[in-house]
Amino acid sequence: GESVGLHLPTLSVQEGDNSIINCAYSNSASDYFIWYKQESGKGPQFIIDIRSNMDKRQGQRVTVLLNKTVKHLSLQIAATQPGDSAVYFCAENIVGNFNKFYFGSGTKLNVKP
Amino acid sequence: GAGVSQSPSNKVTEKGKDVELRCDPISGHTALYWYRQSLGQGLEFLIYFQGNSAPDKSGLPSDRFSAERTGGSVSTLTIQRTQQEDSAVYLCASSQRGDTQYFGPGTRLTVL
Repeated sequence: GESVGLHLPTLSVQEGDNSIINCAYSNSASDYFIWYKQESGKGPQFIIDIRSNMDKRQGQRVTVLLNKTVKHLSLQIAATQPGDSAVYFCAENIVGNFNKFYFGSGTKLNVKP
Repeated sequence: GAGVSQSPSNKVTEKGKDVELRCDPISGHTALYWYRQSLGQGLEFLIYFQGNSAPDKSGLPSDRFSAERTGGSVSTLTIQRTQQEDSAVYLCASSQRGDTQYFGPGTRLTVL
């Protein structure tokens, strides 16, 4: 089956710095990707998504970059805040395959004050 | 509007007992998913409902697990004869078009 993995299981950053969380995916047919944030004791919260016809998409303080050549996805968080501390998951999907979402195990982001 | 809600938030049960977990999706969302999340692990797909179509049950780990969705809205996940390895957080998600999923807070199940 497909696999979605994260390079860094734990990432510690200083408040105010930028954070970069990486994700590798294995299915070159995947064309839809999502980043979720999960705080302790809560369900995953949608952050941002991107389709394969784009290389970059920006949200509020977050940017997702997609490199289809190397099957790599990243989430950039600008001016990281203590409230950003959480586990971040990426997920991959083939549009139309509504029951086939594959999630990585997550990267824990620790923001130091 | 209201998000996905799940109940109970926590459930402690004894091995061998049956449990029912409930999910109320976002109103108007036709797709509903159940996942299981063990400590430090990614989300494990369990079952998927889409409208009136037959559900995709391919992720259910054993025949002790079942789920139904009544009236295209509320869903119940039932685990019969619970085992300790069933202990996990059970997450429900809904989506409008089968793409972006919105998750509930989860039910933490502990089997003693």
